[in-house]
Amino acid sequence: QQQVKQSPQSLIVQKGGISIINCAYENTAFDYFPWYQQFPGKGPALLIAIRPDVSEKKEGRFTISFNKSAKQFSLHIMDSQPGDSATYFCAASRFDNNNDMRFGAGTRLTVKP
Amino acid sequence: DSGVTQTPKHLITATGQRVTLRCSPRSGDLSVYWYQQSLDQGLQFLIQYYNGEERAKGNILERFSAQQFPDLHSELNLSSLELGDSALYFCASSVDGAGYGYTFGSGTRLTVV
Repeated sequence: QQQVKQSPQSLIVQKGGISIINCAYENTAFDYFPWYQQFPGKGPALLIAIRPDVSEKKEGRFTISFNKSAKQFSLHIMDSQPGDSATYFCAASRFDNNNDMRFGAGTRLTVKP
Repeated sequence: DSGVTQTPKHLITATGQRVTLRCSPRSGDLSVYWYQQSLDQGLQFLIQYYNGEERAKGNILERFSAQQFPDLHSELNLSSLELGDSALYFCASSVDGAGYGYTFGSGTRLTVV
């Protein structure tokens, strides 16, 4: 069932630093790649998503980089803040059929003040 | 508030018992997904319903079952509970079809003692 590999499992970054989380997928039919952010005791929430027609998408301090040939995508959090401390999940699915979305195992990010 | 409502928020029960978790999807969403998240684990897909019909099955135990009712709310039934079933159970909903992420509820924390 797991077709999306996510790393690292955990990440500690100093305030103001850059957090980078990487994901790799196997199924070349996937063409929709969302990232979810989950705070303790809460459900995951959609953070940002990308499609393969662009190599990068930026929303505020959050950027997705996408490498179609390598079947990899990554989340960059610029100027990381303690409030960004959460678990981040990458996911992948088909854009025209989101019924089979596969999630990565998650990365627990801790941003130290 | 994500628009996906899960009840109860917390549930403590004994081994061997049966419980029912309830999920009301976001207005307009026809698909409901159930996920299990054990301590420090990723999201394990259990089952998906679309407009009342089972659409996909993941790693769901035979002791677990689900259904989606005509008003689109869904219930996940867990029976013969074991200590290892203790986990967070999330429901997510989505608009079926193109390019939509999932909207997650806040989850039900199940503790089996």
